[in-house]
This record gives sequence, C-alpha cells and structure tokens, in this order.
Amino acid sequence: DGGITQSPKYLFRKEGQNVTLSCEQNLNHDAMYWYRQDPGQGLRLIYYSQIVNDFQKGDIAEGYSVSREKKESFPLTVTSAQKNPTAFYLCASRPSGYLNQPQHFGDGTRLSIL
Amino acid sequence: KQEVTQIPAALSVPEGENLVLNCSFTDSAIYNLQWFRQDPGKGLTSLLLIQSSQREQTSGRLNASLDKSSGRSTLYIAASQPGDSATYLCAVRPRDWRGGSEKLVFGKGTKLTVNP
Repeated sequence: DGGITQSPKYLFRKEGQNVTLSCEQNLNHDAMYWYRQDPGQGLRLIYYSQIVNDFQKGDIAEGYSVSREKKESFPLTVTSAQKNPTAFYLCASRPSGYLNQPQHFGDGTRLSIL
Repeated sequence: KQEVTQIPAALSVPEGENLVLNCSFTDSAIYNLQWFRQDPGKGLTSLLLIQSSQREQTSGRLNASLDKSSGRSTLYIAASQPGDSATYLCAVRPRDWRGGSEKLVFGKGTKLTVNP
C-alpha cells in the first residue's frame, strides 16, 4: 500500500546533539513537507520541497535543516540550535502542481529532550 | 494573514447524537479546505477536501460544507459513535501569489468525545 513512513516513532535528544527524523513516501509525490505540532497549537510549517534538490523555509525553519536528494525521501535534522525541540513532528506529501489535491500525512515522530 | 479558528476546543456528546464542528477563516482567497482526523499520538487522516468552487462534500456519515464568502465551514457527523472520538482539524490552502499557497493553515482543532 502507498503511504508515508516516518521513523523513529519516538526519539530522544541530548543537549548539544543533532538528531535526524526520517520521512519516506512511495506515493510518487513531488512535494513534501515537515510540520511541527505543539499541544494546544495548530500545525506549523518548518520546511517544504516541491522537487528534488530544492527546498524552501516555512514559518519556523530556524534550528532545523533538510535535504531532498531523492524524490522518496525528505529527512529533517533538528540541530542543537533549536532550543525548544520537544514536539510532535509530522511529514506530509502532495502531488506537485496540483494545489487542489489533498495532503497526506505520516504517523509522526515524537521528539523529547533527555 | 490567514487565520483559522475552530470552536469549541472540546465537545462531549452521547452516542447516537448528530453533531456539527465549526471552522472559520479570515481570508476568503483559498484554493480549498480540508478536514482531518487525528487520534492520540497519531498522524492526520484526511476526511474531506472541499474545493473553493464547491459547497459541500460527503463521505459516509460525514458531510462538510463551505461558505467561502463568510469564511466558514462545518463538519456534520451523523449518528455519532464512540469510534468517532478524536481531534478534528480543519486547514485551508491560501490562494497566495507570493508563494504562500504551499502552506496549509491549520486551526487548533476540536477534541470530540462520544460517550457510550
């Protein structure tokens, strides 16, 4: 079945450590997204990519980095510069060029500080 | 700046009741509006997508309406069941020539509890 796979489900970060969240999709979608969800807040866009080797900052990109070397993969690195990384991270995808198509989401990764 | 509001933040109903969840948005320049369901600790499941030119969409016991001019959408759930308990989120895709159309703008959600 086609879908979006995020791993790991739970992740713990030590002070000063960079961690990478994985997102893989087999939907053949061009566009991929990373959102952050905090309790009591709506989802906020961190980064998005419309095509391989290209990505754009969202509303809260500081302290995060991404890469898009393959169409299927869009990993997110939470760097030590992100001072409040504890949150639920959601990856999404959509067929590019079709803004009238729905976004599909993965099951998320919960990141906590040790 | 587009803002999306969902009221109430939480709702508790007895099983079998018909209910309506509300979503309002401040800017009518949108491509579409999408309703999602989120179970605790899980990702988002897309329920319904309404294009800006449409008035409503139906899927099973769910019916979503859109009044773009007034900036409102409702999600109607018929004959609610305990399995419907979840948080329901609405999101709009802005029609933004400056490149903002890639970003969905989300409300904070309505947490629904259906009691047996």
